[in-house]
Amino acid sequence: KNEVEQSPQNLTAQEGEFITINCSYSVGISALHWLQQHPGGGIVSLFMLSSGKKKHGRLIATINIQEKHSSLHITASHPRDSAVYICAGPTRPLQGAQKLVFGQGTRLTINP
Amino acid sequence: KAGVTQTPRYLIKTRGQQVTLSCSPISGHRSVSWYQQTPGQGLQFLFEYFSETQRNKGNFPGRFSGRQFSNSRSEMNVSTLELGDSALYLCASSPQGDSRYTGELFFGEGSRLTVL
Repeated sequence: KNEVEQSPQNLTAQEGEFITINCSYSVGISALHWLQQHPGGGIVSLFMLSSGKKKHGRLIATINIQEKHSSLHITASHPRDSAVYICAGPTRPLQGAQKLVFGQGTRLTINP
Repeated sequence: KAGVTQTPRYLIKTRGQQVTLSCSPISGHRSVSWYQQTPGQGLQFLFEYFSETQRNKGNFPGRFSGRQFSNSRSEMNVSTLELGDSALYLCASSPQGDSRYTGELFFGEGSRLTVL
């Protein structure tokens, strides 16, 4: 069993739909990253959160440290949101070295 | 402000050779971390450097090594290449140690290595 599990692995939706990607972890993670990877390989860091909720534009990330679960939501999805979304957690406290453990990624496709 | 720069972007090597990849972090960032991405294993942490010191290392054989220079630029080296080393190698920098640090990582575009 992977230390960081994402679901679903693949998700196809129509433009405008509300999207939810889930991340569950078994290791002692004090904070969690959500990353976006477009075709070609470039990775963009979307959020790093250790509690509660963060919002940036149409993206919302929530985390429950006690339940070891995080979700990434996309409102009013658009074809340009099509990408692989990856969650990852440091296995050391936030201010220390970050030995990230990654989920396997969720491939999101938004059709016009 | 320039982003994280990785060179070379693409390279082809043969088994048994060695390779050196370079990563120039964003100016002022002292932490540089390296990752390997393959279709089978996904993203895996290689190592992280901070102020020229390796602070943590992932579960990779000793053929994988790295270093960081006083200007925070980092290199990673893979010796005695194997077919399974074919991957996208990514580095990321972060302003750890800076009071403005929010935990965000800034990734380069990666170096795609093919081992024949």
